[in-house]
Amino acid sequence: EDKVVQSPLSLVVHEGDTVTLNCSYEVTNFRSLLWYKQEKKAPTFLFMLTSSGIEKKSGRLSSILDKKELFSILNITATQTGDSAVYLCAVEKGGADGLTFGKGTHLIIQP
Amino acid sequence: ETGVTQSPTHLIKTRGQQVTLRCSSQSGHNTVSWYQQALGQGPQFIFQYYREEENGRGNFPPRFSGLQFPNYSSELNVNALELDDSALYLCASSLGPGRNEQYFGPGTRLTVT
Repeated sequence: EDKVVQSPLSLVVHEGDTVTLNCSYEVTNFRSLLWYKQEKKAPTFLFMLTSSGIEKKSGRLSSILDKKELFSILNITATQTGDSAVYLCAVEKGGADGLTFGKGTHLIIQP
Repeated sequence: ETGVTQSPTHLIKTRGQQVTLRCSSQSGHNTVSWYQQALGQGPQFIFQYYREEENGRGNFPPRFSGLQFPNYSSELNVNALELDDSALYLCASSLGPGRNEQYFGPGTRLTVT
């Protein structure tokens, strides 16, 4: 059975800290890994990763994929209160099976 | 460019009833996927529609059905509602079934009593 496991499930840090969110996966026919940020309802797209070792970066957020060890990390530097959200990791397989999501990491940034 | 929209925002139904949820895809997107998100969980894939046909399905019973229209908008229908169907229902659109940068709508919160 396909699995996507995120850790930690929740995290509370202070503004300005750096956080690392983890996502490990076991799926057949892996195609890509995606990160989303969910604040109220709609998950908003952050990154899609398909190749190992290539870092994707957007402002203070960055992510990397390790296809040998089957995991990805999402880093957020100099965190701000607006970064408070649930961060979802999802894996796409070949075919039309949709995305398989983890449970998410609930990140709270305290002022 | 118009984003993904969904209606209604909230809905309360009674067990055994039927419900229809609607989704308009982002401009230029021809593929729509539906997900169910229970409280505290990640979204679970229900099915995907491409060119008005079901293109893939997750582990949901047949009482979950859908449609896609020529303008790529989509409906999710759920018959014989159960209490466990209470969830946030998310619609996501993408440029095609193989292009999985999926963009999500705000969702419909369904409560079954």
